[in-house]
Amino acid sequence: NAGVTQTPKFQVLKTGQSMTLQCAQDMNHNSMYWYRQDPGMGLRLIYYSASEGTTDKGEVPNGYNVSRLNKREFSLRLESAAPSQTSVYFCASSELGDRGYTFGSGTRLTVV
Amino acid sequence: GENVEQHPSTLSVQEGDSAVIKCTYSDSASNYFPWYKQELGKGPQLIIDIRSNVGEKKDQRIAVTLNKTAKHFSLHITETQPEDSAVYFCAASLYTGGFKTIFGAGTRLFVKA
Repeated sequence: NAGVTQTPKFQVLKTGQSMTLQCAQDMNHNSMYWYRQDPGMGLRLIYYSASEGTTDKGEVPNGYNVSRLNKREFSLRLESAAPSQTSVYFCASSELGDRGYTFGSGTRLTVV
Repeated sequence: GENVEQHPSTLSVQEGDSAVIKCTYSDSASNYFPWYKQELGKGPQLIIDIRSNVGEKKDQRIAVTLNKTAKHFSLHITETQPEDSAVYFCAASLYTGGFKTIFGAGTRLFVKA
């Protein structure tokens, strides 16, 4: 099925550990995004990539890095995980920035 | 930067009644306003959207209205059904060298059978 695939679905990290969240889309979309979702705070933009080869910071970029590996793939890296990064992370893509997004099913990350 | 406020945070209606969710945005340059529905354990799904050159858009039981002057937009669901129960997010998108979409905090809708 066409869509956005995120891996892993669940992850538990210890404080200070690093990890990379993977995201791939097969809809030939130009733009890709990483959001985090916390209770009562909606979805907050971490980083986005308007097109292949470009990345920009969103509202809450501190503690994260991203890589737009190619048009299909956009990864999010936590270099030194902190408990404040416990959240559900969603990757999304869109044909253009001013079009609706297709979201992945999310990664639930717990940092202990 | 852009800020989107969404009300109410929780809404409970009887099956068959209408539900209205309201949002305001701060940046008058925003020009695209999507609405998403999120069911438990899933990612948000686009249900309807509206652009700044349109005042109202309807798709079966759902409709969205936009007042650019007041910077308000609203989602209307008529003849609600239990399967409408979910969290609904409004969002505003603007161009800042690339497009960024800012989401409201969400409204949890309960439709009682």
